[in-house]
Amino acid sequence: NFMLTQPHSVSESPGKTVTISCTRSSGSIASNYVQWYQQRPGSSPTTVIYEDNQRPSGVPDRFSGSIDSSSNSASLTISGLKTEDEADYYCQSYDSSNDWVFGGGTKLTVL
Amino acid sequence: QLQLQESGPGLVKPSETLSLTCTVSGGSISSSSYYWGWIRQPPGKGLEWIGSIYYSGSTYYNPSLKSRVTISVDTSKNQFSLKLSSVTAADTAVYYCARRVGATTIDYWGQGTLVTVSS
Repeated sequence: NFMLTQPHSVSESPGKTVTISCTRSSGSIASNYVQWYQQRPGSSPTTVIYEDNQRPSGVPDRFSGSIDSSSNSASLTISGLKTEDEADYYCQSYDSSNDWVFGGGTKLTVL
Repeated sequence: QLQLQESGPGLVKPSETLSLTCTVSGGSISSSSYYWGWIRQPPGKGLEWIGSIYYSGSTYYNPSLKSRVTISVDTSKNQFSLKLSSVTAADTAVYYCARRVGATTIDYWGQGTLVTVSS
């Protein structure tokens, strides 16, 4: 199995843009779709990005996703930060054995 | 609207078996192209995939837990279940059941249930 590595925490001011990275340890990041989940305290995770760069209905277009084969990583970018975006964010993908792999999570602070 | 609801004991003694059930409503657990899985989150920590079962009955387990995990499905009750044997305090976590769509996102999650391992 591979690992997905995320920064433990990031912080930015309201109205600014923040990018959270997710680096795959082995194998190509493009081999399997990457998803991003938002988890607020006390709640179940919800999808903000699926299939690398797709937004579910209801997720604002301030959220965007991408993958970069040169760095073997995926990124979640949130623009026009709002205090309500403060949450934990997890990247997730699958391996060739159909195992579900999660990143360690990134705590986003909007201050 | 699909809903998933976990149920089971909130307290389990060390060395015993943790048993949880996820009841699916608003849709059939036998629908094609869906995986039904269990994910846990220890207090203050990240998400860990435990295992999953495909609609066809194929099972997949986290290699680190494989020797202790069994996931099964009861289509007559529209439920799937988790058994984790020989539990220790390290198994204390919020346990979520969830649905994955094909090779893409986990689109539905249960609300989660806290299971504490303690004597």
